Amino acid sequence: KNEVEQSPQNLTAQEGEFITINCSYSVGISALHWLQQHPGGGIVSLFMLSSGKKKHGRLIATINIQEKHSSLHITASHPRDSAVYICAALNSGGGADGLTFGKGTHLIIQP
Amino acid sequence: NAGVMQNPRHLVRRRGQEARLRCSPMKGHSHVYWYRQLPEEGLKFMVYLQKENIIDESGMPKERFSAEFPKEGPSILRIQQVVRGDSAAYFCASSPFDRHEQYFGPGTRLTVT
Repeated sequence: KNEVEQSPQNLTAQEGEFITINCSYSVGISALHWLQQHPGGGIVSLFMLSSGKKKHGRLIATINIQEKHSSLHITASHPRDSAVYICAALNSGGGADGLTFGKGTHLIIQP
Repeated sequence: NAGVMQNPRHLVRRRGQEARLRCSPMKGHSHVYWYRQLPEEGLKFMVYLQKENIIDESGMPKERFSAEFPKEGPSILRIQQVVRGDSAAYFCASSPFDRHEQYFGPGTRLTVT
């Protein structure tokens, strides 16, 4: 069973700051998702990555398979980035394709 | 291309009633996943289905919960004889293949009174 840990649990920053959210997992995975959950509750998939780095606008996600660690970065943060960010591991090997989720990072960007 | 659709968005049931939650995957997606988010808790996997098959139901409570994904029509998550502890947000996600990125629906918020 994979354990997915995120840090920090809560993060408050000023508009414009560079944000980093970390995710570590305990067993090998085939891919890792980064998700964003808005205050209204909807979930948006930001990235799925299995190696290296992906970039979309101001968002960057990296993963280090050997260290079992991934990071989500937000550059030039804005109040509309305020949300809960969740990492979720897709386990490698046979068995469930269901995701194992971290508890989420509550991000607040103040103007 | 419409996204993943779930209905109803909000559902209120009295204890002992049945709840039926529907999920229509994105067009072309044949893999559906159901997740539950209890109040103040993280998301938890419930069940993974392909058309007409349950692939993995290891996250489903053993009693009162069932899921199906028929050849035609949406996937249904059914909760019989609901209890207050079933109050949660239920999300479904779909993907076109296994091991592929999953796209989430808006969720159904179930309240049991």
